[in-house]
Amino acid sequence: DIVLTQSPGTLSLSPGDTATLSCRASETVTSNYLAWYQQRPGQAPRLLIYGASDRAAGIPDRFIGRGSGTDFTLSISRLEPEDFAVYYCQQYGRPTLTFGGGTKVEIK
Amino acid sequence: EVQLVQSGAEVKKSGESLKISCKGSGYNFAGYWVGWVRQRPGKGLEWMGVIYPDDSDTRYSPSFQGHVTFSVDKSNNTAYLQWRSLKASDTAMYYCARQGGVGYYGRSDPWGQGTLVTVSS
Repeated sequence: DIVLTQSPGTLSLSPGDTATLSCRASETVTSNYLAWYQQRPGQAPRLLIYGASDRAAGIPDRFIGRGSGTDFTLSISRLEPEDFAVYYCQQYGRPTLTFGGGTKVEIK
Repeated sequence: EVQLVQSGAEVKKSGESLKISCKGSGYNFAGYWVGWVRQRPGKGLEWMGVIYPDDSDTRYSPSFQGHVTFSVDKSNNTAYLQWRSLKASDTAMYYCARQGGVGYYGRSDPWGQGTLVTVSS
């Protein structure tokens, strides 16, 4: 199975800052089938990015997904209060889907 | 609106059986894989597997094979996750999600609101 390693574990930032989250895969992600999800406290995860760089419906352009192969990033510019949450990457190119361990973006 | 609505929270004892549900609406339920994801308290997301409602084709993550059972009632647009004998370690929030788009089963979108399962020993 592909192992996804997210870093850092926690990111302490202020509203208005830019967050850069990393997701590294143990093997090449097939066709860049890599998604990012946001999970706010007490809520279900929500799809943000799929195909490494395509924004899901209704997701603001402050969220940008980049990368290919084994290295992927999620950038969130101009952090707003509702962006402070946990973010997970997921690969869906292999028969066993896998998630990264998550990055918590917290208010500094 | 595409939506998945899950059954309510459950409190069980070790050794008991349980079946939770996930009802889809607003789309062709039979034509999309439904995935299940576990989240233990304070931990990350773990992919359990998927079921295809049209023919009940089921694929389990190796970590969950033999421990849970997926099923579906296509006529009622509902997928199920079942345990025969619960353990305390099954205490978690369980999410279902529609798998869609390209990829092996597609991306997970949308998600149900989750079902909290608490198992006491």
